[in-house]
Amino acid sequence: SQTIHQWPATLVQPVGSPLSLECTVEGTSNPNLYWYRQAAGRGLQLLFYSVGIGQISSEVPQNLSASRPQDRQFILSSKKLLLSDSGFYLCAWSAWGETQYFGPGTRLLVL
Amino acid sequence: GDSVTQMEGPVTLSEEAFLTINCTYTATGYPSLFWYVQYPGEGLQLLLKATKADDKGSNKGFEATYRKETTSFHLEKGSVQVSDSAVYFCALILANAGGTSYGKLTFGQGTILTVHP
Repeated sequence: SQTIHQWPATLVQPVGSPLSLECTVEGTSNPNLYWYRQAAGRGLQLLFYSVGIGQISSEVPQNLSASRPQDRQFILSSKKLLLSDSGFYLCAWSAWGETQYFGPGTRLLVL
Repeated sequence: GDSVTQMEGPVTLSEEAFLTINCTYTATGYPSLFWYVQYPGEGLQLLLKATKADDKGSNKGFEATYRKETTSFHLEKGSVQVSDSAVYFCALILANAGGTSYGKLTFGQGTILTVHP
């Protein structure tokens, strides 16, 4: 069966520091991968998606970037964090644009 | 553009009460429809889905029927439990118009459900 992992689970970072969140999927090949952000008390916003290695599409302009160095690895990064980057970051995978399955999430607090 | 609208929350019920969370959508084409549930501090879990009109998705006592004529996918449960307390998200997905494998998942704003003993 397929599983999706995210780490770290929780992160507290100062403003201006770099960020790297990792997501990995097991049990499937060539998945579509997604990064979402959920701000406190609000819905989910799609940040990036990827249909293959090295292929990244951004949904909204922002302070973040994403990379997919391996088939089942998706990384969310920032060079300098802003206060507004705080939130709950969720990674998801799907096969051919159908049902998306979510990871446990990373809670990021920027101080 | 595509959108999903959920009923305003929060919803507070007593245990064993009947639950309805309304969801309506607008979409160009024929979307697949989903309900996800998010328990406190956790990621989203797929609760149920329906991929075409008149399909009924069901899981853990929850049901939702894909109504094309009313563009709705309301979530129902006959008897809620305290353990059902969570945030519920309605969502839809459409394949990219160019026929690629990417499908953009559009979420409603979420409905907070609290069930008291």
